[in-house]
Order: sequence, then structure tokens, then C-alpha cells
Amino acid sequence: AQSVTQLDSQVPVFEEAPVELRCNYSSSVSVYLFWYVQYPNQGLQLLLKYLSGSTLVKGINGFEAEFNKSQTSFHLRKPSVHISDTAEYFCAVSALGQGAQKLVFGQGTRLTINP
Amino acid sequence: IAGITQAPTSQILAAGRRMTLRCTQDMRHNAMYWYRQDLGLGLRLIHYSNTAGTTGKGEVPDGYSVSRANTDDFPLTLASAVPSQTSVYFCASSVGPVSRADTQYFGPGTRLTVL
Repeated sequence: AQSVTQLDSQVPVFEEAPVELRCNYSSSVSVYLFWYVQYPNQGLQLLLKYLSGSTLVKGINGFEAEFNKSQTSFHLRKPSVHISDTAEYFCAVSALGQGAQKLVFGQGTRLTINP
Repeated sequence: IAGITQAPTSQILAAGRRMTLRCTQDMRHNAMYWYRQDLGLGLRLIHYSNTAGTTGKGEVPDGYSVSRANTDDFPLTLASAVPSQTSVYFCASSVGPVSRADTQYFGPGTRLTVL
């Protein structure tokens, strides 16, 4: 079974500052990794995903994430945030292979951007 | 393109009543999912369907049932609602199943309160 831990439930930052949202996962098999964003009163939308290859993945809205297999982490970063980045961010994992039936989500990190 | 629509947007329901949450997608996706979102718990999978005519149980299926009579519709039924089913429910779809790591597209959600 897979599990995801997002280490911070809330992250406040000032506008134009850098941000890192932390995600660790646990799995006995290889995994696919995802970051989804949920803007207020909306459904989730994909920011980026890691399937294979380069461990640095670039997504939409200037976000990127780095897969670290040895540390079982997939932290999300942005060098300079904007007010519009205020949202809840979810890390998710699924197992490789035909048997994978579900995407497992972390508890979410609420990112608040202060002017 | 509408993507995924869910109805109702919100509902207050008396305990013991039967309720069906509707979900329709117009993307001709094969796979569909129902999640519930609770504060501090992230999203948890209730049921899924990898293709029309098939369904499977997710992480928290008790008290819920689904059907997939065609590609577009994936209704979720609460046979006899209980207060612990108070939550925000999201329907999602993807081209292929979780094992392919296809992006999941989410509807706007249904906020359900069971009193």
C-alpha cells in the first residue's frame, strides 16, 4: 500500500518570496507522483506529475518539483509566488503497474500569500 | 466543453434519507472516480470505474454505491445517509485507469450536509 505525508498543513509566505511545499511518500513498489492544486470553491487540477526520467519536473504556473527516491520525497517549489497562488495543494501517489487502482492523496497544504 | 458537471451543488439531507449525487462528463473518458474531501484528511477514494459496466471499491466504500451504465454518467448513491457522510464530494475522470497515470480531471464538487 502507498501513503503520502504532507509535512505542513499551512504555509504562509509573502508575495514574491520563494516557497517549498514538502511531500514524503511510502511505498514498497515504484510509484508515479503528482501535485494537484485546489483554488477556493473549485475542484482539483493537475500542477505536474513525475512518471519517469528526469527527476526535476516542471509544471504549470511556474511550479516545479523534484523526485528524490532515496529520501522518498517529492517537494514542490516556486521561486516567486503571487497572490493568485493562494490555494490548497495536494501531493498524490499511485503504484506502477496493472494492479494500481487508486490515487492516494496527502492531507493537503494550504498556501496563503500575504501582500 | 463542460468537462465534468456535478449536481446538486449543495444539499442538506435528513439522516436516513436516500440521496443520489450525479456526475456527468463529456470528455469520453473511460475511467471515473468518486472522492470525499474532509478537513485534515485530504481526498479519499469511495468508488471507481475503469470502464462502462465495471466498478470497484475504493478506500471508504461503506454506505455508498455506484453504477456505470454508460461512459458519461457515474452516479453515487447514499442508501441511508448518516451524519458522518457530511463532506464535499468530488467526481473525477481520466482517459485511462490509475495504472496508466493519466491525469484526473475533477468536477466542482457537491457539498453534502447530513443532519
